[in-house]
Amino acid sequence: AQKVTQAQTEISVVEKEDVTLDCVYETRDTTYYLFWYKQPPSGELVFLIRRNSFDEQNEISGRYSWNFQKSTSSFNFTITASQVVDSAVYFCALLDQTGANNLFFGTGTRLTVIP
Amino acid sequence: DGGITQSPKYLFRKEGQNVTLSCEQNLNHDAMYWYRQDPGQGLRLIYYSQIVNDFQKGDIAEGYSVSREKKESFPLTVTSAQKNPTAFYLCASSIAWGTATQTQYFGPGTRLLVL
Repeated sequence: AQKVTQAQTEISVVEKEDVTLDCVYETRDTTYYLFWYKQPPSGELVFLIRRNSFDEQNEISGRYSWNFQKSTSSFNFTITASQVVDSAVYFCALLDQTGANNLFFGTGTRLTVIP
Repeated sequence: DGGITQSPKYLFRKEGQNVTLSCEQNLNHDAMYWYRQDPGQGLRLIYYSQIVNDFQKGDIAEGYSVSREKKESFPLTVTSAQKNPTAFYLCASSIAWGTATQTQYFGPGTRLLVL
């Protein structure tokens, strides 16, 4: 069965600190995709990144970086030098054939950056 | 600007009433989706449509109905059979349905409240 676990329900950091959001997934498929979305207070989900199961390279985009490790079934997200505008709920999601090719979301991590 | 619009932003439903949530996209995407989000929860799939004139039930379709008569429109009706409709509803679309092309982009959401 597919499963996405975001064990951190809420995290608070002081501005300029680094923070890592954890995501652990379960799937029986060998081909799958992992996603991160950001949901600011306005409510709209903003797409951040998509990674397929064959690409384990870490990715960096500005202050954001992602660490994908198949050996531990994890796809963690790090924000460097956090800013108040980073305050949001962050969702990790999995797409595989087990789930009928539909997205399966974790329960999200609420990040609060304190000025 | 290309994007997904949802209306209204807030919707109030009386007991026994059907209400319809609008979702329109001008991204020329084939696939569209409806999700429900409850406080502290991830997103759960209600219905999805791979192409015009086709739609499939998601994980929590009971009490909801949809239509897909036009490529750009995918309205969701919350019927009186849905006993706990208070939630945040998000519409999404993707270029096509299927693992390789399925990055979903989301609208701003509609918050439904029961009077």
